[in-house]
Amino acid sequence: GAGVSQTPSNKVTEKGKYVELRCDPISGHTALYWYRQSLGQGPEFLIYFQGTGAADDSGLPNDRFFAVRPEGSVSTLKIQRTERGDSAVYLCASSLKRSSYNEQFFGPGTRLTVL
Amino acid sequence: KQEVTQIPAALSVPEGENLVLNCSFTDSAIYNLQWFRQDPGKGLTSLLLIQSSQREQTSGRLNASLDKSSGRSTLYIAASQPGDSATYLCAVRRTSGTYKYIFGTGTRLKVLA
Repeated sequence: GAGVSQTPSNKVTEKGKYVELRCDPISGHTALYWYRQSLGQGPEFLIYFQGTGAADDSGLPNDRFFAVRPEGSVSTLKIQRTERGDSAVYLCASSLKRSSYNEQFFGPGTRLTVL
Repeated sequence: KQEVTQIPAALSVPEGENLVLNCSFTDSAIYNLQWFRQDPGKGLTSLLLIQSSQREQTSGRLNASLDKSSGRSTLYIAASQPGDSATYLCAVRRTSGTYKYIFGTGTRLKVLA
């Protein structure tokens, strides 16, 4: 079956611009996660959705970052007034909440470069 | 605050060797631990997931162990192959009320033919 997909795979933007990154989770997965991975580092948690609501957004670095999941499936991560420090790979993952294992399945990521 | 450390940061071995990758975490109150593989420029592939009540999990040539009390997990790779070359990441989920993972920085493995 289809895994987690993310679009675009690469995004180059200029400092100060607005960007949207999209994630399509595995069909039927109710939980969705966004992580950010800087070069040479492990992924860092940003936000977790259960259904349509953000259950934990403690990892969002500041109010320029926002994410939505209006119908409980596709999610969009939105970054306003981008800064060079936002350059990273943004990873999305999904899991079945009712599974006690909570095994997370990751997409290929979106590489964001802010010039 | 949970911190996850992976040693070594990089490892280069000849093909056929058995090897061990280490993961340590500072807070032993974990719900589970997951090992991932990441190829250059790619996302993460799940390898093994160990629940806190388990001691080990096996999949093919891979075996992961967990010692919660000492805050350690190891990933054992038997008879390594060049195709095993990748970065290996471990991640812990802290408690049953929290679904986010805390990741280590990874071990970059190169298996030489």
